[in-house]
Amino acid sequence: SQQGEEDPQALSIQEGENATMNCSYKTSINNLQWYRQNSGRGLVHLILIRSNEREKHSGRLRVTLDTSKKSSSLLITASRAADTASYFCAPGHTGTASKLTFGTGTRLQVTL
Amino acid sequence: EAQVTQNPRYLITVTGKKLTVTCSQNMNHEYMSWYRQDPGLGLRQIYYSMNVEVTDKGDVPEGYKVSRKEKRNFPLILESPSPNQTSLYFCASSLFGTGVSNQPQHFGDGTRLSIL
Repeated sequence: SQQGEEDPQALSIQEGENATMNCSYKTSINNLQWYRQNSGRGLVHLILIRSNEREKHSGRLRVTLDTSKKSSSLLITASRAADTASYFCAPGHTGTASKLTFGTGTRLQVTL
Repeated sequence: EAQVTQNPRYLITVTGKKLTVTCSQNMNHEYMSWYRQDPGLGLRQIYYSMNVEVTDKGDVPEGYKVSRKEKRNFPLILESPSPNQTSLYFCASSLFGTGVSNQPQHFGDGTRLSIL
């Protein structure tokens, strides 16, 4: 399968804590994207990291990529209740320009 | 406002009654795609279109049809819906067809279909 696999499946933390989600994939990639999905809504693009990048930041988001381990992580710092959502990684595999595959996601619950 | 618009948002219908879910984007994107989302299975691609009059099957195309007569519209057609097509459907678009895996995709808010 070319989809990414997110881990853990579910994560519950308190507001203010950091949340870390991981993504593993199997074949070579050009880049990897992370998306957020609020309950019952469409996916929203968060960040794209290219295969020659190791780390990327966007606001409270930090994404790392380790191509030797075929893995990526998404860190949300100082989480808020509004961060409650499902998070998906989508590896952009080499040679599959017309396809973006999604896993089943990590469900993040941030409680007050 | 840049957006992908799907209609209807919710539909309950019966087996065999043809239906169309419309998708429209106002960003002049070349690439459009349909996904279905089911519990435990994630998002699976149904069909995609690299540009006008260019469509191709995704991972789960059986029971669906699409057309791309204009750049902005990409309707999903269920000619004879069955209960196993009950799902949450998403339309998405990105700027270019070539190299789409390198670009963000913009998603609609989804259409929840129930086929009885």
